[in-house]
Amino acid sequence: RKEVEQDPGPFNVPEGATVAFNCTYSNSASQSFFWYRQDCRKEPKLLMSVYSSGNEDGRFTAQLNRASQYISLLIRDSKLSDSATYLCVVKEVGNRDDKIIFGKGTRLHILP
Amino acid sequence: DGGITQSPKYLFRKEGQNVTLSCEQNLNHDAMYWYRQDPGQGLRLIYYSQIVNDFQKGDIAEGYSVSREKKESFPLTVTSAQKNPTAFYLCASMAGAYQPQHFGDGTRLSIL
Repeated sequence: RKEVEQDPGPFNVPEGATVAFNCTYSNSASQSFFWYRQDCRKEPKLLMSVYSSGNEDGRFTAQLNRASQYISLLIRDSKLSDSATYLCVVKEVGNRDDKIIFGKGTRLHILP
Repeated sequence: DGGITQSPKYLFRKEGQNVTLSCEQNLNHDAMYWYRQDPGQGLRLIYYSQIVNDFQKGDIAEGYSVSREKKESFPLTVTSAQKNPTAFYLCASMAGAYQPQHFGDGTRLSIL
């Protein structure tokens, strides 16, 4: 099983719709979780951290399910500008070094 | 404004040539990272440094070298031993173990 897995997509979604995607991770000891967005030929930018209790930032909601070992991202009222690749990141914090694992991303296309 | 600056934005390498990519941050972060991203692929870790004068190999360190003489700076040298250097190179820094990484805007390296 891969350490971090994402559906590569693309997800083609009409503007205004709600879209959700998941990211599964294999190490139950993983401790920190994040969602990034990456536009074509640009650097990844932090979208939001994912907290155990779930968290919301405007139209975006992130959730963590430790029992099933996945995180999710929900986008409501999607905009054309939401078209991007969404990367999940899982961190395992160790005594000496941290291990930071990036998913390969889910491509989202918002259709007018 | 605090941030991470990578230069140059575009770089061309001749066969047999070493080239150095610059990464500077003024965020006072201890940890710094270099990643490589190939088209349609995820991020792969080249080298990282948790503290000045110390660095560790990542998953694909062969053909690359780094130094960390100052907290603010983490340059990456792509040596002639790296036979397939064409990629998008991303530098990141991180404040602490449970914090997210922040990225520079990347350097695109191509072979002439």
